[in-house]
Amino acid sequence: TQLLEQSPQFLSIQEGENLTVYCNSSSVFSSLQWYRQEPGEGPVLLVTVVTGGEVKKLKRLTFQFGDARKDSSLHITAAQPGDTGLYLCAGVKVGGTSYGKLTFGQGTILTVHP
Amino acid sequence: DAGVTQSPTHLIKTRGQQVTLRCSPKSGHDTVSWYQQALGQGPQFIFQYYEEEERQRGNFPDRFSGHQFPNYSSELNVNALLLGDSALYLCASSGAGTQYFGPGTRLLVL
Repeated sequence: TQLLEQSPQFLSIQEGENLTVYCNSSSVFSSLQWYRQEPGEGPVLLVTVVTGGEVKKLKRLTFQFGDARKDSSLHITAAQPGDTGLYLCAGVKVGGTSYGKLTFGQGTILTVHP
Repeated sequence: DAGVTQSPTHLIKTRGQQVTLRCSPKSGHDTVSWYQQALGQGPQFIFQYYEEEERQRGNFPDRFSGHQFPNYSSELNVNALLLGDSALYLCASSGAGTQYFGPGTRLLVL
């Protein structure tokens, strides 16, 4: 069974602070995706990282895929209250496709206080 | 262009009952996946349907079954409900790329 472990599980910070969420596994994934989910809604895709060592930036969010394609991180700079939500990482197994089975981490609940 | 839609939004059932959840995929998408998300957890893959057949299945018992119709919409059926089946059930549709998730159906089993 391929498992993804996210840390921390909960994060409560003040507006303007920086934060990093980690997603780790002992298994290799062909790609990793990061989603954000708000209450009453389904997860919304933020980014997909495919190549080991890849770094992608989306405004104040920076995503990194580990060299060995077993781990990933999400860094948010100068967090804002609008960043509040559940952040999920999801892996696609080697040989799988982005439209196939996704293996999700347990999520990180982020709360940004004004 | 409507996204993925699911019905009903909320549902309350008692143990032992059966439930059917429905999903309409995003326009142009032919693949539908179902996930179960327990409170405070990440979604877990139940199964995926393509061309009206189950293509992949996760680690869920046979009480969980599904169907896909010629218009690509899909149903998830759960028989003999258990308290532990209480969760948010998410449907995701895709073509040949990214999966798009619906808002989910919140099922409470009493």
